Amino acid sequence: DGGITQSPKYLFRKEGQNVTLSCEQNLNHDAMYWYRQDPGQGLRLIYYSQIVNDFQKGDIAEGYSVSREKKESFPLTVTSAQKNPTAFYLCASSPLSNQPQHFGDGTRLSIL
Amino acid sequence: RKEVEQDPGPFNVPEGATVAFNCTYSNSASQSFFWYRQDCRKEPKLLMSVYSSGNEDGRFTAQLNRASQYISLLIRDSKLSDSATYLCVVGRGGGADGLTFGKGTHLIIQP
Repeated sequence: DGGITQSPKYLFRKEGQNVTLSCEQNLNHDAMYWYRQDPGQGLRLIYYSQIVNDFQKGDIAEGYSVSREKKESFPLTVTSAQKNPTAFYLCASSPLSNQPQHFGDGTRLSIL
Repeated sequence: RKEVEQDPGPFNVPEGATVAFNCTYSNSASQSFFWYRQDCRKEPKLLMSVYSSGNEDGRFTAQLNRASQYISLLIRDSKLSDSATYLCVVGRGGGADGLTFGKGTHLIIQP
């Protein structure tokens, strides 16, 4: 079945630690996105990528980094510079920008 | 004006009733519009795209009013399983990439 796989489902970060969230898709989509959702809040765009080896900052990129070395993969690193990382992180993909996005089932990140 | 604005609710509606909610958007250059559904602690899922002529999918009807920059969703004969948060989503348009998500309207269908 085609889809988007995020891992892990739950992740705990220690102070000063970088952690990486995985996102893999087999939908052959060009565009991939990372969002953050806080309780009772909407989705906020962290980074997006329209093509391999290229990505752009979203609305809240500070404290995060990404790479897009393969079409299928768009990992997100939450760095120690992100002081409030506790949130629900969602990865999405779409054939082209402005088309409907399909989401993975998310990673919940908490601080230890 | 917020980019995509929705009444957060909750809307408490008896089973079998018809419910409608609207969303307004600020970017007149937006060209694509969608409704997503998000269940508690789950990922958003595409419910339907919204076309200028309006469109229907079973019990769900979506309308777009470009002049007033609002989008509506109508749910007829509501089911308990319709309880969820409904997200209004608008393309960024004007050469910008991606989508802007509203914060959602929380719908509770009561037996």
